[in-house]
Amino acid sequence: DTAVSQTPKYLVTQMGNDKSIKCEQNLGHDTMYWYKQDSKKFLKIMFSYNNKELIINETVPNRFSPKSPDKAHLNLHINSLELGDSAVYFCASSHYRGPETLLSFGPGTRLLVL
Amino acid sequence: AQTVTQSQPEMSVQEAETVTLSCTYDTSESDYYLFWYKQPPSRQMILVIRQEAYKQQNATENRFSVNFQKAAKSFSLKISDSQLGDAAMYFCAYRIHNNAGNMLTFGGGTRLMVKP
Repeated sequence: DTAVSQTPKYLVTQMGNDKSIKCEQNLGHDTMYWYKQDSKKFLKIMFSYNNKELIINETVPNRFSPKSPDKAHLNLHINSLELGDSAVYFCASSHYRGPETLLSFGPGTRLLVL
Repeated sequence: AQTVTQSQPEMSVQEAETVTLSCTYDTSESDYYLFWYKQPPSRQMILVIRQEAYKQQNATENRFSVNFQKAAKSFSLKISDSQLGDAAMYFCAYRIHNNAGNMLTFGGGTRLMVKP
């Protein structure tokens, strides 16, 4: 059983297009995240949702809009794609509180903007 | 703001030997967690080991151990008896103990190559 799944795994698209990446977790976690890994492998938090509410929103262009229809899903919609959006996007989930809580990562979605 | 620095972009080790990956961090918090993640070519992020800052004893997981120096804000990873499957990117990460949302701050990564 896949714990955190993302679709698609690969996404190749033209500049200016709008695309979405979907994420689902079956771990019963109440918090979900989007991380971006750029071409230099640097990983940085983009968003975090707890019980469908946005709790972390780092400096990200407003072309990026996360949507959480329920606790088990956090989708990422990107408008007007730019070359610099090419990266690997990781979804993750965890419990909100507790010292023992660990982050579970999805397999990543490689986005290539041409 | 917290920062995590990995000063070694690349490291290589001979199979069966030992290698140490460096990590330093900057924080004003007294209680936090530190992690090492492995990212093989498959891109999957795999937790290798974690350390609670309030514990003085260094964490160990089989061939993986850490050298946690709280005063120096240093958190290095030692891999003993290196295996070909250890070849990957390794990321050091930091989290505040009571951080609502469990947000991790990552270092820039170290690429480890294992020579047969």
